[in-house]
Amino acid sequence: DAGVIQSPRHEVTEMGQEVTLRCKPISGHNSLFWYRQTMMRGLELLIYFNNNVPIDDSGMPEDRFSAKMPNASFSTLKIQPSEPRDSAVYFCASTLGAHMDEQFFGPGTRLTVL
Amino acid sequence: SQQGEEDPQALSIQEGENATMNCSYKTSINNLQWYRQNSGRGLVHLILIRSNEREKHSGRLRVTLDTSKKSSSLLITASRAADTASYFCATYNQGGKLIFGQGTELSVKP
Repeated sequence: DAGVIQSPRHEVTEMGQEVTLRCKPISGHNSLFWYRQTMMRGLELLIYFNNNVPIDDSGMPEDRFSAKMPNASFSTLKIQPSEPRDSAVYFCASTLGAHMDEQFFGPGTRLTVL
Repeated sequence: SQQGEEDPQALSIQEGENATMNCSYKTSINNLQWYRQNSGRGLVHLILIRSNEREKHSGRLRVTLDTSKKSSSLLITASRAADTASYFCATYNQGGKLIFGQGTELSVKP
C-alpha cells in the first residue's frame, strides 16, 4: 500500500498567489482530514470529510481557505490569496472506518509564503 | 483549548534507558492514541488504547490509561537512537475531532 500521498512536498510562493495542495488517501479509506502544523500553534485540524462530504470545516482559518473532495481518491486544499502567515506544514490523513480510529498521515507539504 | 497535554516538553536520555512521557486530557474519551513524528516527516500511529483498557503493549512500547485521573503514559523501554522523535497523544473531542497535544520531543543519545 502506498500510504497517503501528498503533493507537492514543498511549495514556495509569493504573497497573493494561489496555492493548491493535493492529497490521495489510502484506497478504501472513507474519512479524510486536513491539518496544519506550526511551531506556535502545533497541529490543528482544518477540515475533515466523510464519504467525500465535508463534515466539519470550523478549523478553516478564513475564507481564503477552501477544500474539496470530488471523489474518494482525491482532495485539494486551496489558499487564495496566500499570506506569509499561512507558512506551515500541511498534512492530510485518512481513516478506514469510524473516524475515531487511528489516522494515517501523509508526508506533508511544507508551504512557504514569501 | 488543548484536549491533550504532554509532559515533559523535552526529554533527553542515553541509548538503552527507558523514556516515559505523560499525557493529560480534559474530557471523557472513547480512546487515546499516541503518535510519533520524526523530524520533517508525517505522524505515524503507534498505539491506541480504549477507555475500558488500563494497559497495552506493543513491542518496546507500553501505554497506560487512568480515566479517573484523565491521564496516560507512554513508556519506551531500552531506547534506541532511532526513537529520537516527537511524541504526541491525541484524543477525540465531543465534536469528533482528533485533538493533538503539543508533544514531547525525545532525544536519545547513542
